[in-house]
Amino acid sequence: AQRVTQPEKLLSVFKGAPVELKCNYSYSGSPELFWYVQYSRQRLQLLLRHISRESIKGFTADLNKGETSFHLKKPFAQEEDSAMYYCALSPRGYGQNFVFGPGTRLSVLP
Amino acid sequence: EPEVTQTPSHQVTQMGQEVILRCVPISNHLYFYWYRQILGQKVEFLVSFYNNEISEKSEIFDDQFSVERPDGSNFTLKIRSTKLEDSAMYFCASNRDGGNSPLHFGNGTRLTVT
Repeated sequence: AQRVTQPEKLLSVFKGAPVELKCNYSYSGSPELFWYVQYSRQRLQLLLRHISRESIKGFTADLNKGETSFHLKKPFAQEEDSAMYYCALSPRGYGQNFVFGPGTRLSVLP
Repeated sequence: EPEVTQTPSHQVTQMGQEVILRCVPISNHLYFYWYRQILGQKVEFLVSFYNNEISEKSEIFDDQFSVERPDGSNFTLKIRSTKLEDSAMYFCASNRDGGNSPLHFGNGTRLTVT
């Protein structure tokens, strides 16, 4: 069965500091990985997905199949980055459910 | 940009009552989902729906739950006889290509069972 873990429930950094939100997964096949973000009182929204290999709002994430990780990184955190971040896995295939990690609350301090 | 919409935003009901949560997915999406998030816990998959039938469901989605697409736009989640532990945020989501495209979420319905 597929599983996503995010070891940190809460991560606090100062503005301008680098940030890394950890995500590990277990899945026997070749999954698609996503990061979703939920700002205060807003809906879950897609931040980025591994196959697009793009940087959104300064965030990047690299899929490491050897370590089964998909860590989210940003070199210089901003206060507006404070939010809940969820790593999610989708098994390749149609109609299959996404599995979410427990989430990490990022708090960027002034 | 089109959005998934959910109504109501907050529903309070008494234990044992039936509730229907409503969602309007993005119009050209083919796959629809319900997720829930109990306060302080992670987002949990309930059910996925494609081509007018359930394609996958979790253990949470027992006989008390049902989904329906009554017309060309709405996608509903019904809880037949609510329990206290059903209190949660319920998110509807949709996407075009199932597991191959990102989920688009609604704002959620906060269900409170008293």
